[in-house]
Amino acid sequence: QVHLVQSGAEVKKPGASVKVSCKASGYTFTIYHMHWVRQAPGQGPEWMAIINPSGGSTSYAQKFQGRVTMTRDTSTNTVYMELSSLRSEDTAVYYCAREGDSSSTLDYWGQGTLVTVSS
Amino acid sequence: DIQMTQSPSSLSASVGDRVTITCRASQSISSYLNWYQQKPGKAPKLLIFAASGLQSGVPSRFSGSGSGTDFTLTISSLQPEDFATYYCQQSYSNPLTFGGGTKVEIK
Repeated sequence: QVHLVQSGAEVKKPGASVKVSCKASGYTFTIYHMHWVRQAPGQGPEWMAIINPSGGSTSYAQKFQGRVTMTRDTSTNTVYMELSSLRSEDTAVYYCAREGDSSSTLDYWGQGTLVTVSS
Repeated sequence: DIQMTQSPSSLSASVGDRVTITCRASQSISSYLNWYQQKPGKAPKLLIFAASGLQSGVPSRFSGSGSGTDFTLTISSLQPEDFATYYCQQSYSNPLTFGGGTKVEIK
């Protein structure tokens, strides 16, 4: 069965960076694209980025261009999302989500990682 | 970016009721529309893909319809475990975008 397990909660100061991991199991890692989606308190989900684990190519939402970097490690079936220059508005739960067989449909999600940005 | 607008933003219903949630896209997205259910403190769960495809394991009381700009999620007979927030999401183009959500509460 497919599992996506994310790293634990983080507390960061404004201006710092955070790196969240997502370890995949139960399927062939390089076949399915992975997305990052965040959700601020009381808000709807917001798409951030996508990576093709096979070749490592990425695409980022314009809003996060220059601040977000998505990488992967095929030896451990893990994807990473690093967000820099953090501000209070980045306080949110960050999810990794696998893209299923239907284009850009997010069929499996990680449990979420709360990132709190506070001075 | 494609804007997704859901209505209503919340509704109250009783167990056994038929519930309908609508989602409108700011431009045509063909059938590239997905529906998710989210319970407090949990990740979203895929219910419907490609406007009307039922995700494996999802009860058949959930159904989706529509194409172009207007879409509907229907719960034919609301069950206690269905009280949650529902989101639509377009998968037509990047950036993927979500609706603002519809919270289904107990009447």
